[in-house]
Amino acid sequence: GQNIDQPTEMTATEGAIVQINCTYQTSGFNGLFWYQQHAGEAPTFLSYNVLDGLEEKGRFSSFLSRSKGYSYLLLKELQMKDSASYLCAHLGQAGTALIFGKGTTLSVSS
Amino acid sequence: SAVISQKPSRDICQRGTSLTIQCQVDSQVTMMFWYRQQPGQSLTLIATANQGSEATYESGFVIDKFPISRPNLTFSTLTVSNMSPEDSSIYLCSVEVISGRTSAVDTQYFGPGTRLTVL
Repeated sequence: GQNIDQPTEMTATEGAIVQINCTYQTSGFNGLFWYQQHAGEAPTFLSYNVLDGLEEKGRFSSFLSRSKGYSYLLLKELQMKDSASYLCAHLGQAGTALIFGKGTTLSVSS
Repeated sequence: SAVISQKPSRDICQRGTSLTIQCQVDSQVTMMFWYRQQPGQSLTLIATANQGSEATYESGFVIDKFPISRPNLTFSTLTVSNMSPEDSSIYLCSVEVISGRTSAVDTQYFGPGTRLTVL
């Protein structure tokens, strides 16, 4: 089966660091994705991990532990514009389409 | 990356009618997907649409309700048939862009979505 869990909501203040966790269960692992979705807009690709470890891309980093079925997205130097939903996803059993978690709504305040 | 457009961007429809949503991509892609995002929810995959073959539907979605066409490598349509208020949702088209490099991932890009309200 396939299951993805992530917190529903998180809050943080400008300039802070926030870590959004994601745990997953899948019968065949082909990579873990993070997408950002602002209200009323389409999701946009943030990061992809297929090997264990940390991938850094500017203010955003993503970590993966395949043995633990665990990933996190780390956002540094938070800005108001980072207020959005963050979606954890992995490839489905066919290895093609993405299967998404319910998303974490992040609210950044001043 | 890929530039994806959808038509219409939004519509308000009456119960029992059907709506066809169009998805156009600026480059040829093999894999196209249709997702639904109900209010306050995450994305749920409806079906995978490959050119030259019938769409593959996920559990809970059937061809009679959501017929899909994929006439070429840059275009697809999704029809929401015999609509009810429960079909009110955002419908998103997505494509997989092949990086062609082993060091880079094949990434999915999303269209802007079609916001459907059924009265």
